[in-house]
Amino acid sequence: GDSVTQMEGPVTLSEEACLTINCTYTATGYPSLFWYVQYPGEGLQLLLKATKADDKGSNKGFEATYRKETTSFHLEKGSVQVSDSAVYFCALSSGGSQGNLIFGKGTKLSVKP
Amino acid sequence: DGGITQSPKYLFRKEGQNVTLSCEQNLNHDAMYWYRQDPGQGLRLIYYSQIVNDFQKGDIAEGYSVSREKKESFPLTVTSAQKNPTAFYLCASKNRDRNTEAFFGQGTRLTVV
Repeated sequence: GDSVTQMEGPVTLSEEACLTINCTYTATGYPSLFWYVQYPGEGLQLLLKATKADDKGSNKGFEATYRKETTSFHLEKGSVQVSDSAVYFCALSSGGSQGNLIFGKGTKLSVKP
Repeated sequence: DGGITQSPKYLFRKEGQNVTLSCEQNLNHDAMYWYRQDPGQGLRLIYYSQIVNDFQKGDIAEGYSVSREKKESFPLTVTSAQKNPTAFYLCASKNRDRNTEAFFGQGTRLTVV
């Protein structure tokens, strides 16, 4: 079945450091790919998405490119801030699951001043 | 404003009691979902519904029940059969199109006392 694998955390960075959180997927057909962010004690919020190969999603300085050849959707940011501290989830939605989302296990990011 | 609302935010349950968590959306979404999140863990799917009057078990349905009598509402009952109910519960909704993202509520933190 469909699945998402993302790098284990926690990840601790200093402010202004570069961030990469790896995400790879297994899916039949052509899934859409998403990154969600969860701040402490809250629900998940959509950060960005890409619906077809080579699409780049971007928001708030975060970017991820849908790479079909490597089945990857890595999240990147050039300069993180303390306010980026949160848990990040990679997810996919494929037609075979009627649009249901399948999530990775989440990566906790802590940014120190 | 359109959105998805969970209530209550905090809930305490005595041993042997059933409790019901509310989830309401005014986004006109067909699909609704319940997830359980344990500390430091990812999301686990409890139940989902793609259409009114129909719902499917997720990965950890035992000890839980749901109903979908209205498009807007998808309440979750945590029964006394659920042996370890203390967790953070998240409700989400989305259209069934695979390209669309899910919207999440703010969560309900359930504690057994």
